[in-house]
Amino acid sequence: QVQLQESGPGLVKPSETLSLTCTVSGGSISSYYWSWIRQPPGKGLEWIGYIYYSGSTNYNPSLKSRVTISVDTSKNQFSLKLSSVTAADTAVYYCASLSGSYAYWGQGTLVTVSS
Amino acid sequence: SYELTQPPSVSVSPGQTASITCSGDKLGDKYACWYQQKPGQSPVLVIYQDSKRPSGIPERFSGSNSGNTATLTISGTQAMDEADYYCQAWDSTDFGTGTKVTVL
Repeated sequence: QVQLQESGPGLVKPSETLSLTCTVSGGSISSYYWSWIRQPPGKGLEWIGYIYYSGSTNYNPSLKSRVTISVDTSKNQFSLKLSSVTAADTAVYYCASLSGSYAYWGQGTLVTVSS
Repeated sequence: SYELTQPPSVSVSPGQTASITCSGDKLGDKYACWYQQKPGQSPVLVIYQDSKRPSGIPERFSGSNSGNTATLTISGTQAMDEADYYCQAWDSTDFGTGTKVTVL
């Protein structure tokens, strides 16, 4: 059973860069595409982007200019960087596996953007 | 992006059938998936490839997809099924707008 665990700061200042890491266990990182998804408080799910173990990426056009997703296959981890954050980026951030559907999800981590 | 539209809310009495729709252009030509999200929890895949249930998902959850509309049906709805539900098209990364199911 694949398990995912997000980690990173829960508080980020406006204009700074949000950084999160997702650790994959119970399966190989070469098996799926790996996605980041967020959910602002009280709102729906928003796909941020995904990466394949080879390093190829695809980003949500609305966030593309601020997003970087990378992978470290040696550690079975992939990471998210979102630059120039504002209060609108406050959300629960999930990592998830993607193979047609999002079968496996992390428990999510709340990131608040505030000074 | 590929837009998927869901009704904001659906109400159902315990033991009755709840139907949640998801509309998108030629959605029936793609596979549809459904996720259940309870408050404070991560989404859980309940239907994939239109009508298949992952291991551990109760049989009361079923799905269909034709034309421009996919439907998630919950038969014999239980109080524990009260949650938000999101659809997704198999070859799309985006989610539907979400439906809150209330069991009255």
